Amino acid sequence: QSVLTQPPSASGTPGQRVTISCSGSSSNIGTNTVNWYQQFPGTALKLLIYTNNQRPSGVPDRFSGSKSGTSASLAISGLQSDDEADYYCAAWDDSLNWVFGGGTKLTVL
Amino acid sequence: QVQLQESGPGLVKPSQTLSLTCTVSGGSISTGSYYWSWIRQPAGKGLEWIGRIYTSGSTNYNPSLKSRVTISIDTSKNQFSLKLSSVTAADTAVYYCARERWMGGRYFDSWGQGTLVTVSS
Repeated sequence: QSVLTQPPSASGTPGQRVTISCSGSSSNIGTNTVNWYQQFPGTALKLLIYTNNQRPSGVPDRFSGSKSGTSASLAISGLQSDDEADYYCAAWDDSLNWVFGGGTKLTVL
Repeated sequence: QVQLQESGPGLVKPSQTLSLTCTVSGGSISTGSYYWSWIRQPAGKGLEWIGRIYTSGSTNYNPSLKSRVTISIDTSKNQFSLKLSSVTAADTAVYYCARERWMGGRYFDSWGQGTLVTVSS
C-alpha cells in the first residue's frame, strides 16, 4: 500500500488532455514539493516534473504539474501514443522518508 | 551527464544478505549538492524508498526497513552500496540507485537502469 494515492490507470485518445492525481497528507505533499516520474517498461525512471510544476530541460511543455493542499496533479495535453507509460508521483515526508504513489498506467486509445 | 549503474548478485538465498553496488560515472559522488539513494520496485508494484547516504557518510533509512539496511559510500571508487540482511521472498524486486538533488529543490534527477534481485533457495 503506497503512502501517496494515485489512480491505477488513466486513458485518453490522441490529442486529448489527461490528468493524473496524487493524494497525500500534511506530512508529505502538504508541506513539501511534489515530483513526477515517467517509466517505460523495462527502463529507468525519468524525471518529468520537479518542485510541483517545473520541467527539466528536454521535457515538452505538454506536461505540466500543479499542487494544492495535500494533493497534486500531472496534466498531459496533446496526448501522443508515445506518452503511453507508467507515471509516479513522489514527495519527501517529514518523517525523513521519501514516499511514492503506486503508479498510474496511462493508455493511449 | 552523470550515469549510475547497479551491480551485484541477481539471486540471493532466504535469510542471507543482499549486497548491491552503484557506480557513478560522469560526475563526483563527493559533490555536496546530492544525496545518493536506493529505491526498489517489486514486480507489478510501486516504488519503495530504501534509504540514502550523503558524501559525509550520514544516512537516512526507511523506518520499515531500518533494522535490516546498511548503506555505505566509497568516495575513492565513486561508489555507494546497499546491504539488506535477513532477506525473504518479499525482498524480490528491481533495485534502483538514484541521485537526489537537495539544493534548489528536492528530487531524484538521475536513475540507474535497475537490477533484478530474486530471493529464492
